[in-house]
Amino acid sequence: EADIYQTPRYLVIGTGKKITLECSQTMGHDKMYWYQQDPGMELHLIHYSYGVNSTEKGDLSSESTVSRIRTEHFPLTLESARPSHTSQYLCASRAEVRETQYFGPGTRLLVL
Amino acid sequence: GENVEQHPSTLSVQEGDSAVIKCTYSDSASNYFPWYKQELGKGPQLIIDIRSNVGEKKDQRIAVTLNKTAKHFSLHITETQPEDSAVYFCAASPLNYQLIWGAGTKLIIKP
Repeated sequence: EADIYQTPRYLVIGTGKKITLECSQTMGHDKMYWYQQDPGMELHLIHYSYGVNSTEKGDLSSESTVSRIRTEHFPLTLESARPSHTSQYLCASRAEVRETQYFGPGTRLLVL
Repeated sequence: GENVEQHPSTLSVQEGDSAVIKCTYSDSASNYFPWYKQELGKGPQLIIDIRSNVGEKKDQRIAVTLNKTAKHFSLHITETQPEDSAVYFCAASPLNYQLIWGAGTKLIIKP
């Protein structure tokens, strides 16, 4: 069982608000990822990090930003939420030597 | 870059029958092919994976086959049960630290 946590699980917020989605893992993994997914649909990589102080944008353009100050923590921030940001956000991590990505339970975001 | 196609998008089978989901990939350098199961309201969970030096792998009712020449791999679920109902994703890993994902297959098990 993977030890990767996401909070909050559900978030309903008004347009223009700043939000931070939290992701933490206790496995010591260097590599972490954020995906955006509409329920049951394709996963789109929006950000990834290969270690502390390393962050890159993924294939899907996103207005969100990420930071990686500690190995175990990879938060995602939206400075000004919009209805188009409504989606599910999944965090994942993997070890250096094994390709398997382990996923958190996701955060379902609704922007009104 | 790598591209993964997954079929069918929806698969409905009778309980107890077998289900097969197929994926094709484009980058011959890809060497790792996992399958994930995603239940409603949860993150994807790895159910089985295969590396390019192996042609087939089995874990109880689940098996994966890989044809490197044709660049396709398949998930086989035998004796399907209601708890197998979920969305299944295939992925391929080219020579970096990312996974390229298929679009997903919604598997429905009819009682």
